[in-house]
Amino acid sequence: EADIYQTPRYLVIGTGKKITLECSQTMGHDKMYWYQQDPGMELHLIHYSYGVNSTEKGDLSSESTVSRIRTEHFPLTLESARPSHTSQYLCASSIGTLSGNTIYFGEGSWLTVV
Amino acid sequence: SQQGEEDPQALSIQEGENATMNCSYKTSINNLQWYRQNSGRGLVHLILIRSNEREKHSGRLRVTLDTSKKSSSLLITASRAADTASYFCATDLNSGGYQKVTFGIGTKLQVIP
Repeated sequence: EADIYQTPRYLVIGTGKKITLECSQTMGHDKMYWYQQDPGMELHLIHYSYGVNSTEKGDLSSESTVSRIRTEHFPLTLESARPSHTSQYLCASSIGTLSGNTIYFGEGSWLTVV
Repeated sequence: SQQGEEDPQALSIQEGENATMNCSYKTSINNLQWYRQNSGRGLVHLILIRSNEREKHSGRLRVTLDTSKKSSSLLITASRAADTASYFCATDLNSGGYQKVTFGIGTKLQVIP
């Protein structure tokens, strides 16, 4: 089992609310990621970080923002949620080895905006 | 578009049969990985095969890699109902000076008891 934790697992909020999805890992990994995945669909990388104070936008444009103040913590924030943000958000981390990057995922946060 | 594309997108087999899933990709890679996702959960890493390897085994899993055809296959032997999940291939490549892992669209496997 990977030591990467996401909270909340399920969240239903109203349009216009601000929300933060928490993600923490205890493996000391430098690289962390946020993916967005609609049910039964592919994963889209929306944010990644290669270390403290490093954040980059991913392949899919997202209105969310992230921060990386501590190695173990990589929260994702939506300032004003909309129904189009309804999705599953998966946090992940990895450490590069000679073999490559094996990515460890959290259990996901299901967000529903009504 | 996604770097990796799995084929078929959905597969339904009887328990005990073998399941084969294929993945094609477009650019040169450092390695290719397979992940499994149970419904509503995160992904779990199954196996990694390096670009200089052709075949790798892990329990009931067998992965092959053909870099000349830019394709990989995942074989699950003697399938069980508990193998029901979505399976994703992921390619690890250098892009603009940094490593990048890109996931395919996944194959939904249903194993019928």
